[in-house]
Amino acid sequence: GNSVTQMEGPVTLSEEAFLTINCTYTATGYPSLFWYVQYPGEGLQLLLKATKADDKGSNKGFEATYRKETTSFHLEKGSVQVSDSAVYFCALRSDNYGQNFVFGPGTRLSVLP
Amino acid sequence: DADVTQTPRNRITKTGKRIMLECSQTKGHDRMYWYRQDPGLGLRLIYYSFDVKDINKGEISDGYSVSRQAQAKFSLSLESAIPNQTALYFCATSGGTAPEAFFGQGTRLTVV
Repeated sequence: GNSVTQMEGPVTLSEEAFLTINCTYTATGYPSLFWYVQYPGEGLQLLLKATKADDKGSNKGFEATYRKETTSFHLEKGSVQVSDSAVYFCALRSDNYGQNFVFGPGTRLSVLP
Repeated sequence: DADVTQTPRNRITKTGKRIMLECSQTKGHDRMYWYRQDPGLGLRLIYYSFDVKDINKGEISDGYSVSRQAQAKFSLSLESAIPNQTALYFCATSGGTAPEAFFGQGTRLTVV
């Protein structure tokens, strides 16, 4: 079946540090890929997405590139801020019948001033 | 107003009680989902519905039931709550041309 693997953390960085959160997936066909962010006490919000190979999703300084050859969708940000502290989820949506979403376990990021 | 609204936001209930969590959406989406979030386990799918007449079990449906009262409403019931159902529950929708899911704010349920 489809699955998503991501580094579980927690990840602790200093403000302005470079962030990478690794995400790899297993799926048949050509899934759509997503990064969601969950701030404390809130629901999941879409951070960025990519729907086909080599697409780059970007938003709020975050980027991720859909790499089909390595089945990866790693999240990066060049300079994190304290306000980026949250839990980040990698997810996929399969393109076969049913098209249900599959989520990774989440990575908690803490950014220290 | 939020596009996906869950009620209640927080609930404490006793073991053996029946409880219903409600979800309504204004996005006009056909597809609705209920997920459970536990620390370190991500989100796990409980039930999903692709339209009013279509209800499907997810990976952890035991102990839960759902009702799709209308396109905009999808409720989750715990017939006899047990402590290991203590978790954060999310409703989500998808549809239209966007591939992503849209989430409610969540319901924090504690079973004592």
